[in-house]
Amino acid sequence: DIQMTQSPSTLSASVGDRVTITCRASQSISGWLAWYQQKPGKAPKLLIYMASVLESGVPSRFRGSGSGTEFTLTITSLQPDDFATYYCQQYNSYYTFGQGTKLEIK
Amino acid sequence: QVQLQESGHGLVKPSQTLSLTCSVSGGSISSTNFYWSWIRQPAGKGLEWIGRVYKSGSTNYNSSLKSRVTMSVDTSKNQFSLRLSSVTAADTAVYYCARDRSGSGSLGFMDVWGKGTTVTVSS
Repeated sequence: DIQMTQSPSTLSASVGDRVTITCRASQSISGWLAWYQQKPGKAPKLLIYMASVLESGVPSRFRGSGSGTEFTLTITSLQPDDFATYYCQQYNSYYTFGQGTKLEIK
Repeated sequence: QVQLQESGHGLVKPSQTLSLTCSVSGGSISSTNFYWSWIRQPAGKGLEWIGRVYKSGSTNYNSSLKSRVTMSVDTSKNQFSLRLSSVTAADTAVYYCARDRSGSGSLGFMDVWGKGTTVTVSS
């Protein structure tokens, strides 16, 4: 099974900051990666798929990049609504999620 | 727009079978480009994919749960279902159903999610 490892597990930042979350796969997954945002008590929301394609309706301050085994989610100019937990998911070999990165207000 | 709603018993006794149904509205479960997935999340923990089902009844399961999982689809009711047998406390979680945007025979990502339903395994 493919393992997905996110770093950091927790990230403290302020409104207006630029932040980056990393997701590493235990083997190459090409570009078969999605990113989700989850707020407490809510279902996850799809942000990005195919590593860098923004889902319709998602603000352009969310950017995804990477291929192979290393991927990043960057949020430029953090907004109050962005403080949440973020998960990556590979879909190269069935599905595996990363353990999550909690983005907290500094 | 497509909406998903989970339903089922919120309390299941150890060793019994967990049964959940996901009702799809605003779209057809028979759409060609979608599978239908179940994902779970224990309190305070991450997401675990359980498996998925296609309109034809074809299924794929997480290898760690495969021996206990059965998924099915009822196109006449626009619903799909999950059964997880021999449950233990480790199966206590929020269970989500989701639309899996992938073509027939390929893999994808979850673009529409239900709100989730809490299932507790306890005697």
